[in-house]
Amino acid sequence: ETGVTQSPTHLIKTRGQQVTLRCSSQSGHNTVSWYQQALGQGPQFIFQYYREEENGRGNFPPRFSGLQFPNYSSELNVNALELDDSALYLCASSSGTEAFFGQGTRLTVV
Amino acid sequence: RKEVEQDPGPFNVPEGATVAFNCTYSNSASQSFFWYRQDCRKEPKLLMSVYSSGNEDGRFTAQLNRASQYISLLIRDSKLSDSATYLCVVNQAGTALIFGKGTTLSVSS
Repeated sequence: ETGVTQSPTHLIKTRGQQVTLRCSSQSGHNTVSWYQQALGQGPQFIFQYYREEENGRGNFPPRFSGLQFPNYSSELNVNALELDDSALYLCASSSGTEAFFGQGTRLTVV
Repeated sequence: RKEVEQDPGPFNVPEGATVAFNCTYSNSASQSFFWYRQDCRKEPKLLMSVYSSGNEDGRFTAQLNRASQYISLLIRDSKLSDSATYLCVVNQAGTALIFGKGTTLSVSS
C-alpha cells in the first residue's frame, strides 16, 4: 500500500454535471499531482499542488480545477462534465522524485 | 510528435523468454527517468528508476542514453506474474511526470 487514498473509487455522472474527487496524500508528502488516464492511454498530467499552491498545469481546460489543503490532502473538481471526461483519475503524492499513486477514481460520464 | 513514445504492443512471450522494451523522449531537458508497471485496472507502481550508468534489479535491467534520448527495459527469464503494462516515464523539473502510452506484456505458460 502506498498510503495514498482516493475517494470515491467509482462514480457515474451525467453530462453537464459537476464532480469532486478527493485524495489523501502519504504522510509527510507536500506535493500532490493529478492525472487523467483514458482507456488504452498513459496517464496525462492535469496539475500539481505544492504547499497549497498550483505548481504546474497540463493541457486541460479551466473547468478542471483543484485545491490542496493545509494537511496536504487535495481535491480535483470538474465542471460541465463531457463524455470524454470518462477516465481513471489518479492522484500521486511525492516528496522528492518518487511519486506514489492512489488506486484511482474511475469516472464514467453518461 | 509525442513527448514520450514507446514500442507499440502487445508483446506475447512464453515463460522464460527475454523481452526488451524501448522508449524515446523528445525533451532534452528531461532530468529523471523511470519505468512504471501497471496491472489491469490498477494504479501505476514504480518498477525502477533509470540512470545513465544503467541499473539492474534482479531480472530487470534499465538503460538510458541521453545523447539518443532513448530508454530501455530488459526483462530476463519472464514470469507469468510479469504480465502487465509497462510505462516509460520522464520528469523535467520536478513537476509533471510525462508518461508514454505503455506497452502491454503477456507472458504465457
